[in-house]
Formats: sequence, structure tokens, C-alpha cells
Amino acid sequence: GAVVSQHPSRVICKSGTSVKIECRSLDFQATTMFWYRQFPKQSLMLMATSNEGSKATYEQGVEKDKFLINHASLTLSTLTVTSAHPEDSSFYICSATPIAGADTQYFGPGTRLTVL
Amino acid sequence: AQTVTQSQPEMSVQEAETVTLSCTYDTSENNYYLFWYKQPPSRQMILVIRQEAYKQQNATENRFSVNFQKAAKSFSLKISDSQLGDTAMYFCALDAGGTSYGKLTFGQGTILTVHP
Repeated sequence: GAVVSQHPSRVICKSGTSVKIECRSLDFQATTMFWYRQFPKQSLMLMATSNEGSKATYEQGVEKDKFLINHASLTLSTLTVTSAHPEDSSFYICSATPIAGADTQYFGPGTRLTVL
Repeated sequence: AQTVTQSQPEMSVQEAETVTLSCTYDTSENNYYLFWYKQPPSRQMILVIRQEAYKQQNATENRFSVNFQKAAKSFSLKISDSQLGDTAMYFCALDAGGTSYGKLTFGQGTILTVHP
């Protein structure tokens, strides 16, 4: 149980375009999901908290207009990187916690974004 | 603010031997959670073990155990009978709870290599 999927697993796009990444909890509901960013051989940095039915909250230094988050249902959160630039190239990982009582984050497999 | 520090960038161990990974943290909260996550080359984050701060007993999961020293704010991971499949990057993480519930602060990571 507690499986989180991400789509796509890899994406390559041109500079200036927008890219959408989906995060789904497959066998549980999650009112809150989290988006992290990881550079090669570095740690995970929390970008934002995705809240079902309300606005996302962003960590300090993260541009909310650049990284748009939508949490449309209890099983789906999307991250859209708008007007992507090469410096946005990174590994993006989402996580979710089941509504019912668990206090452990389950992670998606990640999405590797390359902006040319 | 929360901080998590892993002072060992890389560690190596022979198969079947025991290795200990270090982690220290800082938080002003009382009811927090600590985790060790494993990230193999696939980059999928896998939960290894978790510890609730209010529990004095150290958590154990098969070959994995922790030494939780709350006063010293130390949370080390011991891997017994190391296996080749344990080769991965290991992250120590803190969920401070309260208004930060669910948000994980990660350490820098320790690359563990298990040699045959």
C-alpha cells in the first residue's frame, strides 16, 4: 500500500516553454502533498506544500508564479514549471501522507526535467 | 527553523559487516518525528525507519536500528549484516510537527557503498 506515482518520469523541453508534472496517490487519499527539488548528489529541498482545495504554500525563495501548484483532488497534485529555463533543470519529487492517521511521507519516483 | 546535519558524505562497509551512519538535528519543537530514508540509484525514496520523539525506545526494523539520543539531538542509523542491496544514499530527515507537520527537513545525505 501507500504508493505514489509521478508522470512523466523524464521530460525534456525547450527554454521558455511550460511543463506539467503530475503526482498521484494511487491507493490512499491525501489532503496534503509536498514538492521537493533535488540537484545531483545533493539533498532534497522542500519547495511547497500542496493543499487540496486551497492555495499552495511556498517555501522562502521559491517563486510561486514560476512553480504553479494545483491540488484538484484528494489523489492528484500538479506542479507546472512556467517559462522554464536551463537553471530549472532538476529532479522533482513529490510526497504525500495518507489522511488517516499516518505520519510518514510516501514519495513518488521523481521526474527528471531537462530544459534545453 | 529546523536543521539536520549528516557529517559523513561517504561511508563504505564490507558485506555482512555493521555500519553506523550519523545524524544530528536541531528543533525547538517537542513532538517531532525522525526518519531515515534510502535513495538507491533509481532515486526512489524508500523509508527505512522512523522514530517518534516521545518514544524512549529505539526503533528497530529487521537489520536496521537507530540510536536516538534526544538530549543530544542525535539520531544514528545502524545497519547490521550489510548487504549489497544496501548500497544507496541515506538521508536523515526531521518532521518538526506542529504547524510544520508533514514538512521534512533533510540532511545532506551519506553515500553508503557495500563491498562484496
